[in-house]
Amino acid sequence: AQSVAQPEDQVNVAEGNPLTVKCTYSVSGNPYLFWYVQYPNRGLQFLLKYITGDNLVKGSYGFEAEFNKSQTSFHLKKPSALVSDSALYFCAVRAASYNQGGKLIFGQGTELSVKP
Amino acid sequence: ETGVTQTPRHLVMGMTNKKSLKCEQHLGHNAMYWYKQSAKKPLELMFVYNFKEQTENNSVPSRFSPECPNSSHLFLHLHTLQPEDSALYLCASSQERTSGSNEQFFGPGTRLTVL
Repeated sequence: AQSVAQPEDQVNVAEGNPLTVKCTYSVSGNPYLFWYVQYPNRGLQFLLKYITGDNLVKGSYGFEAEFNKSQTSFHLKKPSALVSDSALYFCAVRAASYNQGGKLIFGQGTELSVKP
Repeated sequence: ETGVTQTPRHLVMGMTNKKSLKCEQHLGHNAMYWYKQSAKKPLELMFVYNFKEQTENNSVPSRFSPECPNSSHLFLHLHTLQPEDSALYLCASSQERTSGSNEQFFGPGTRLTVL
């Protein structure tokens, strides 16, 4: 069965510091991995995805994520946090093989708070 | 905005009411989804439509009834709901291929409160 874990409910970072939001996954076969962000009273907004190829994926708003197959992780990172990055972040996984069901499974979300 | 619109944005209803949520996607996608987002819980997939055909019903109670008249519109009909059904209901769409590598685009959601 597919699953996603975001071990931290909340991450607090000072503006200008690097940030990391953690995600680990479990899936049969190769994964497709996604990060989404949700601002208050808004739907989820796509940030980036890993399908294949380079393990370091760059996305919107200066975010990037590193796929680590041996650790089954896909942590979201940004070199310098902004107050406007404060939001709820979701990691999601889907099995690459359509025979595995094809559902997109979301983690429970991590609240990122960036203080000035 | 993301190209996926939802109406209404907020809805308050009694347990005996009947109401409908509407979703429209302007992206030319072939798949649409309903999700339920409750506080402190992961997103719960409710229904999936591919090419207007329902391909997934994730053990959703019958008081929720989806309808997909065409590939651009998706409805969620609500009747005799319970207070625990209060949540944010999100609609999403994607261009589905057999690889499943495409991301989903989400609407802003309908905040539903059941009294």
